[in-house]
Amino acid sequence: AQSVAQPEDQVNVAEGNPLTVKCTYSVSGNPYLFWYVQYPNRGLQFLLKYITGDNLVKGSYGFEAEFNKSQTSFHLKKPSALVSDSALYFCAVRVANSGNTPLVFGKGTRLSVIA
Amino acid sequence: DGGITQSPKYLFRKEGQNVTLSCEQNLNHDAMYWYRQDPGQGLRLIYYSQIVNDFQKGDIAEGYSVSREKKESFPLTVTSAQKNPTAFYLCASTIRSGAGPDEQFFGPGTRLTVL
Repeated sequence: AQSVAQPEDQVNVAEGNPLTVKCTYSVSGNPYLFWYVQYPNRGLQFLLKYITGDNLVKGSYGFEAEFNKSQTSFHLKKPSALVSDSALYFCAVRVANSGNTPLVFGKGTRLSVIA
Repeated sequence: DGGITQSPKYLFRKEGQNVTLSCEQNLNHDAMYWYRQDPGQGLRLIYYSQIVNDFQKGDIAEGYSVSREKKESFPLTVTSAQKNPTAFYLCASTIRSGAGPDEQFFGPGTRLTVL
């Protein structure tokens, strides 16, 4: 079985400060890991993914994520937060070489960036 | 929200009525998915389809039905057997079936309210 945990329901950060949204995963095998963002009453937008190779993945809107196999984590980061980054963020996982099975999502973390 | 359209955006239903949510994609994607989103619960998989005329149950399929008669269309019917259907419903697609690292693209969602 595969699962994702996002331990924080809410993250608050001041504008201009660095932000981190945490994600840990559990899979049998190697993971493919994804981050999505959702604005109110909208669908999810893809930010970035880790497949293999470099542990630091860069994505859209200045976001990046670091894959840590020993800690089974894939935390989302941004060096300087913007008010417009305020949204709901989802981490997702799929086991590598399992076919295109559906992604398993975490419960989401609401990010609030305060001006 | 890419090339996936969901209609209607808002839908109201009386108890005991079946209702069908539309999902159409012009991305030529093979696989399509339906998720249900409730506050604090993240995304839960209802059904998915890897190819035309084939689909599989997800984690919460009870009270729902789907069809995949055309590659571009994957409608979801919420039946009267679904005891708590009020939720935000998201349709997604993936370019290939059977290849693991592809991200899912999401539609804008349909908010269903049972009166």
